[in-house]
Amino acid sequence: GAGVSQTPSNKVTEKGKYVELRCDPISGHTALYWYRQSLGQGPEFLIYFQGTGAADDSGLPNDRFFAVRPEGSVSTLKIQRTERGDSAVYLCASSNRGADTQYFGPGTRLTVL
Amino acid sequence: GENVEQHPSTLSVQEGDSAVIKCTYSDSASNYFPWYKQELGKGPQLIIDIRSNVGEKKDQRIAVTLNKTAKHFSLHITETQPEDSAVYFCAASITGSARQLTFGSGTQLTVLP
Repeated sequence: GAGVSQTPSNKVTEKGKYVELRCDPISGHTALYWYRQSLGQGPEFLIYFQGTGAADDSGLPNDRFFAVRPEGSVSTLKIQRTERGDSAVYLCASSNRGADTQYFGPGTRLTVL
Repeated sequence: GENVEQHPSTLSVQEGDSAVIKCTYSDSASNYFPWYKQELGKGPQLIIDIRSNVGEKKDQRIAVTLNKTAKHFSLHITETQPEDSAVYFCAASITGSARQLTFGSGTQLTVLP
């Protein structure tokens, strides 16, 4: 079946602009995660959804970052007033209820000029 | 919070030789340890995982060992092939909770033909 998909694959924006990154999890997966991966580093946790609610948003770096999952499927990561330090690959993962295995999407490469 | 250290950061081996990557973790409550392979421009792909009630797990050419007392775990790849060349990440999490993964910083494995 289809895996986790993320759009766009690449996003270039200017400092101060607003961006939205989309994640489509594997169908039926109730848990959804966002991670951020800087060059040469491992992914870092941002936020976790169980269904529609954010069960853990402790990894969001500041209040410019926000994520939603209104219907318990697709999720959108929103970044306001982007800064050059936000440049990274943003990864989305999903897992089935009660399961530990997280399946990752291909990521969105965000570049803030 | 959890901290995962991974080494070496780069590893070159001759085709057919074995490769070993090691990780240590800090939180004794962690009980789930997946390994991911990431190819250039792609998201991490799970290759094997182990839970704390098991000391070793093997899947064809790949094996993982876990020492809970010492809080370290290792990935072993035997009979390496050029297509094994990629970045490998270890990770740790606590099952039954938010399950956020804490990743190591990655190992760039190069298999020389």
